Amino acid sequence: DAGVTQSPTHLIKTRGQQVTLRCSPKSGHDTVSWYQQALGQGPQFIFQYYEEEERQRGNFPDRFSGHQFPNYSSELNVNALLLGDSALYLCASSLEGDNSPLNFGNGTWLTVT
Amino acid sequence: AQKVTQAQTEISVVEKEDVTLDCVYETRDTTYYLFWYKQPPSGELVFLIRRNSFDEQNEISGRYSWNFQKSTSSFNFTITASQVVDSAVYFCALSLEGETSGSRLTFGEGTQLTVNP
Repeated sequence: DAGVTQSPTHLIKTRGQQVTLRCSPKSGHDTVSWYQQALGQGPQFIFQYYEEEERQRGNFPDRFSGHQFPNYSSELNVNALLLGDSALYLCASSLEGDNSPLNFGNGTWLTVT
Repeated sequence: AQKVTQAQTEISVVEKEDVTLDCVYETRDTTYYLFWYKQPPSGELVFLIRRNSFDEQNEISGRYSWNFQKSTSSFNFTITASQVVDSAVYFCALSLEGETSGSRLTFGEGTQLTVNP
């Protein structure tokens, strides 16, 4: 039973570029949440997707957008990258209506130079 | 707005020592969940425990124990007889009750625990 998988593992981009990160939820899960974790800090909630729609959003600019596909996998897109976007991006999945804790992936390390 | 504070940035102990990680939270809601997660160098957040705001019973799981006190808004985590494998960053987190809110965790800044042999 595969857990949450994220790709790529590491990524290096240049300021101003755009990036897409991918997440496959744990088998049986239908809800995906994304978090940004800057070095030395706790994760911060970006947004959550359910039924292919953004359901909740944290305090992040519109440069951060996402998508959920019919198979429940999800993408996080960041446009016009800034140096401050360098972070570990974590994806977490859950099942709507189920009270189990979130399952997190290993994350994608994004470096913006 | 919710807030979680972990005042201890780094803790270093020698193997077999007991260690307590502190967590203080703020919320105006009366119904919420508190969590502890462990993050090894690989990056994945590993769930350790969840408590809801109506359950103040302390819990023990092997070498781990948790002390939840609503009167002081604290949810502290103790590792007894620490081991080198316990070395990691530990996060305390809070979420509001509700199907949609349950996934939105507010994390503390984390405590880096190093257990030396």
